[in-house]
Amino acid sequence: GENVEQHPSTLSVQEGDSAVIKCTYSDSASNYFPWYKQELGKRPQLIIDIRSNVGEKKDQRIAVTLNKTAKHFSLHITETQPEDSAVYFCAASLGTGGFKTIFGAGTRLFVKA
Amino acid sequence: EAQVTQNPRYLITVTGKKLTVTCSQNMNHEYMSWYRQDPGLGLRQIYYSMNVEVTDKGDVPEGYKVSRKEKRNFPLILESPSPNQTSLYFCASSPTSEETQYFGPGTRLLVL
Repeated sequence: GENVEQHPSTLSVQEGDSAVIKCTYSDSASNYFPWYKQELGKRPQLIIDIRSNVGEKKDQRIAVTLNKTAKHFSLHITETQPEDSAVYFCAASLGTGGFKTIFGAGTRLFVKA
Repeated sequence: EAQVTQNPRYLITVTGKKLTVTCSQNMNHEYMSWYRQDPGLGLRQIYYSMNVEVTDKGDVPEGYKVSRKEKRNFPLILESPSPNQTSLYFCASSPTSEETQYFGPGTRLLVL
Protein backbone atom coordinates (compact mmCIF):
# COMPACT_ATOMS: atom_id res chain seq x y z
CA GLY A 1 0.00 0.00 0.00
CA GLU A 2 0.95 3.65 0.03
CA ASN A 3 3.73 4.57 2.40
CA VAL A 4 5.75 7.59 3.50
CA GLU A 5 9.06 6.96 5.23
CA GLN A 6 10.64 9.73 7.27
CA HIS A 7 14.20 9.98 8.59
CA PRO A 8 15.68 10.54 11.05
CA SER A 9 13.27 9.82 13.87
CA THR A 10 15.27 12.06 16.20
CA LEU A 11 17.58 14.94 15.35
CA SER A 12 19.61 17.04 17.73
CA VAL A 13 21.41 20.19 16.52
CA GLN A 14 23.16 23.14 18.04
CA GLU A 15 21.41 26.50 17.85
CA GLY A 16 22.36 28.21 14.59
CA ASP A 17 23.09 24.97 12.74
CA SER A 18 20.95 23.60 9.92
CA ALA A 19 18.56 20.67 10.19
CA VAL A 20 17.47 18.40 7.35
CA ILE A 21 14.62 15.90 7.46
CA LYS A 22 14.02 13.51 4.59
CA CYS A 23 10.94 11.69 3.35
CA THR A 24 10.30 9.18 0.61
CA TYR A 25 6.91 8.20 -0.73
CA SER A 26 5.75 5.14 -2.62
CA ASP A 27 2.84 6.29 -4.79
CA SER A 28 3.91 8.18 -7.89
CA ALA A 29 0.39 9.67 -8.12
CA SER A 30 1.08 11.79 -5.03
CA ASN A 31 1.03 15.45 -5.95
CA TYR A 32 0.91 17.51 -2.75
CA PHE A 33 3.55 17.37 -0.01
CA PRO A 34 2.98 19.37 3.17
CA TRP A 35 5.16 19.61 6.27
CA TYR A 36 3.59 20.05 9.69
CA LYS A 37 5.13 21.10 13.00
CA GLN A 38 3.69 19.82 16.25
CA GLU A 39 4.76 21.33 19.54
CA LEU A 40 4.29 19.37 22.73
CA GLY A 41 0.62 19.02 23.63
CA LYS A 42 -0.55 20.98 20.61
CA ARG A 43 -2.10 20.27 17.24
CA PRO A 44 -0.05 19.92 14.04
CA GLN A 45 0.29 23.12 12.04
CA LEU A 46 1.47 23.57 8.48
CA ILE A 47 4.88 25.19 8.07
CA ILE A 48 5.45 24.76 4.34
CA ASP A 49 4.16 22.72 1.42
CA ILE A 50 5.11 21.93 -2.14
CA ARG A 51 3.26 20.66 -5.17
CA SER A 52 4.46 18.12 -7.70
CA ASN A 53 5.04 20.70 -10.42
CA VAL A 54 7.59 22.58 -8.29
CA GLY A 55 11.11 21.46 -7.35
CA GLU A 56 11.86 23.81 -4.47
CA LYS A 57 10.08 26.31 -2.24
CA LYS A 58 11.48 28.62 0.40
CA ASP A 59 9.95 30.63 3.23
CA GLN A 60 12.49 32.55 5.29
CA ARG A 61 14.53 29.94 7.20
CA ILE A 62 12.53 26.99 5.90
CA ALA A 63 12.82 25.32 2.52
CA VAL A 64 11.45 22.18 0.94
CA THR A 65 12.84 20.33 -2.07
CA LEU A 66 11.08 17.70 -4.14
CA ASN A 67 12.57 15.09 -6.45
CA LYS A 68 9.66 13.42 -8.20
CA THR A 69 11.83 10.95 -10.07
CA ALA A 70 13.30 9.62 -6.84
CA LYS A 71 9.99 10.10 -4.96
CA HIS A 72 11.85 12.01 -2.31
CA PHE A 73 11.30 15.35 -0.56
CA SER A 74 13.18 17.11 2.20
CA LEU A 75 12.72 19.86 4.77
CA HIS A 76 15.61 22.21 5.42
CA ILE A 77 15.69 24.55 8.42
CA THR A 78 18.57 26.99 8.56
CA GLU A 79 19.82 29.02 11.52
CA THR A 80 17.87 26.85 13.93
CA GLN A 81 16.52 28.37 17.13
CA PRO A 82 15.35 26.72 20.37
CA GLU A 83 11.73 27.44 19.39
CA ASP A 84 12.20 25.19 16.37
CA SER A 85 12.27 22.25 18.80
CA ALA A 86 9.18 20.16 18.00
CA VAL A 87 8.04 17.10 16.09
CA TYR A 88 7.93 17.53 12.33
CA PHE A 89 5.76 15.43 10.04
CA CYS A 90 5.92 15.10 6.29
CA ALA A 91 2.88 13.96 4.33
CA ALA A 92 1.89 13.00 0.82
CA SER A 93 -1.55 13.53 -0.60
CA LEU A 94 -2.82 11.23 -3.31
CA GLY A 95 -4.79 13.05 -5.98
CA THR A 96 -5.90 10.17 -8.15
CA GLY A 97 -7.59 6.90 -7.31
CA GLY A 98 -8.44 8.25 -3.91
CA PHE A 99 -7.71 11.27 -1.80
CA LYS A 100 -5.86 9.87 1.16
CA THR A 101 -3.21 11.75 3.07
CA ILE A 102 -0.33 9.61 4.28
CA PHE A 103 1.92 10.96 7.03
CA GLY A 104 5.45 10.02 7.91
CA ALA A 105 6.16 8.79 11.44
CA GLY A 106 7.64 12.11 12.51
CA THR A 107 11.03 13.57 13.45
CA ARG A 108 11.66 14.92 16.91
CA LEU A 109 13.98 17.92 16.54
CA PHE A 110 15.94 19.21 19.51
CA VAL A 111 17.73 22.54 19.15
CA LYS A 112 20.27 23.04 21.92
CA ALA A 113 20.95 26.59 23.03
CA GLU B 1 -12.53 33.08 14.12
CA ALA B 2 -11.79 30.28 11.63
CA GLN B 3 -11.44 27.05 13.54
CA VAL B 4 -11.95 23.32 13.86
CA THR B 5 -13.53 22.19 17.12
CA GLN B 6 -13.71 18.74 18.64
CA ASN B 7 -15.65 17.40 21.58
CA PRO B 8 -14.98 15.97 24.00
CA ARG B 9 -11.32 16.82 24.52
CA TYR B 10 -10.79 13.96 26.96
CA LEU B 11 -12.78 10.77 27.34
CA ILE B 12 -12.41 7.67 29.46
CA THR B 13 -14.76 4.84 28.60
CA VAL B 14 -15.09 1.08 28.86
CA THR B 15 -14.87 -1.62 26.23
CA GLY B 16 -18.02 -1.92 24.16
CA LYS B 17 -19.70 1.32 25.13
CA LYS B 18 -20.57 3.23 21.96
CA LEU B 19 -19.19 6.74 21.71
CA THR B 20 -19.14 9.64 19.28
CA VAL B 21 -16.50 12.33 18.94
CA THR B 22 -17.82 15.41 17.22
CA CYS B 23 -15.91 17.62 14.80
CA SER B 24 -17.06 20.90 13.37
CA GLN B 25 -15.44 23.51 11.12
CA ASN B 26 -16.62 27.00 10.22
CA MET B 27 -14.46 27.55 7.12
CA ASN B 28 -16.80 25.98 4.56
CA HIS B 29 -14.13 23.37 3.77
CA GLU B 30 -15.05 20.44 1.57
CA TYR B 31 -12.37 18.01 2.77
CA MET B 32 -12.44 16.66 6.30
CA SER B 33 -10.42 13.88 7.90
CA TRP B 34 -9.99 11.92 11.08
CA TYR B 35 -6.55 10.82 12.26
CA ARG B 36 -5.26 8.90 15.19
CA GLN B 37 -1.84 9.65 16.62
CA ASP B 38 0.14 6.98 18.44
CA PRO B 39 3.77 7.21 19.63
CA GLY B 40 6.22 6.27 16.88
CA LEU B 41 3.49 5.87 14.28
CA GLY B 42 2.77 9.46 13.36
CA LEU B 43 -0.68 10.42 12.18
CA ARG B 44 -2.71 7.70 10.54
CA GLN B 45 -5.80 8.58 8.57
CA ILE B 46 -8.94 6.79 9.67
CA TYR B 47 -11.57 8.19 7.30
CA TYR B 48 -11.88 11.21 5.08
CA SER B 49 -14.70 13.00 3.36
CA MET B 50 -14.55 14.87 0.09
CA ASN B 51 -17.92 16.54 0.62
CA VAL B 52 -21.40 15.99 2.03
CA GLU B 53 -22.39 12.33 1.82
CA VAL B 54 -18.99 11.40 0.31
CA THR B 55 -16.70 9.46 2.64
CA ASP B 56 -13.93 6.94 2.15
CA LYS B 57 -11.58 4.81 4.18
CA GLY B 58 -8.14 5.92 5.15
CA ASP B 59 -5.39 3.61 6.31
CA VAL B 60 -6.90 2.41 9.60
CA PRO B 61 -10.72 2.41 9.30
CA GLU B 62 -11.43 -0.81 11.21
CA GLY B 63 -13.64 -0.24 14.24
CA TYR B 64 -14.69 3.27 13.22
CA LYS B 65 -17.59 4.84 11.38
CA VAL B 66 -18.15 8.35 10.11
CA SER B 67 -20.93 10.36 8.53
CA ARG B 68 -21.06 13.66 6.67
CA LYS B 69 -24.63 14.87 6.60
CA GLU B 70 -23.68 18.53 6.75
CA LYS B 71 -20.64 20.25 5.33
CA ARG B 72 -19.46 21.60 8.66
CA ASN B 73 -19.75 18.41 10.77
CA PHE B 74 -17.86 15.14 10.56
CA PRO B 75 -18.45 12.95 13.63
CA LEU B 76 -16.35 9.88 14.40
CA ILE B 77 -18.27 6.94 15.83
CA LEU B 78 -16.83 4.01 17.73
CA GLU B 79 -19.63 1.44 17.88
CA SER B 80 -17.84 -0.93 20.23
CA PRO B 81 -14.60 0.60 21.48
CA SER B 82 -11.71 -1.65 22.39
CA PRO B 83 -8.49 -0.90 24.32
CA ASN B 84 -6.44 -0.78 21.10
CA GLN B 85 -8.43 2.31 20.15
CA THR B 86 -6.90 4.21 23.04
CA SER B 87 -5.21 7.08 21.25
CA LEU B 88 -5.10 10.79 20.51
CA TYR B 89 -7.57 11.67 17.78
CA PHE B 90 -7.42 14.69 15.51
CA CYS B 91 -10.03 16.02 13.14
CA ALA B 92 -8.84 18.20 10.27
CA SER B 93 -10.36 20.16 7.43
CA SER B 94 -9.10 21.80 4.24
CA PRO B 95 -10.64 23.39 1.16
CA THR B 96 -9.55 20.36 -0.93
CA SER B 97 -7.39 17.28 -0.35
CA GLU B 98 -4.41 19.13 -1.83
CA GLU B 99 -4.34 22.12 0.46
CA THR B 100 -3.37 22.93 4.02
CA GLN B 101 -5.22 20.90 6.60
CA TYR B 102 -6.36 22.73 9.73
CA PHE B 103 -6.39 20.49 12.75
CA GLY B 104 -8.72 20.50 15.70
CA PRO B 105 -7.32 20.52 19.27
CA GLY B 106 -7.40 16.73 19.61
CA THR B 107 -9.39 14.26 21.68
CA ARG B 108 -7.54 11.99 24.05
CA LEU B 109 -9.43 8.70 24.40
CA LEU B 110 -8.77 5.97 26.93
CA VAL B 111 -10.67 2.71 26.56
CA LEU B 112 -10.51 0.46 29.61
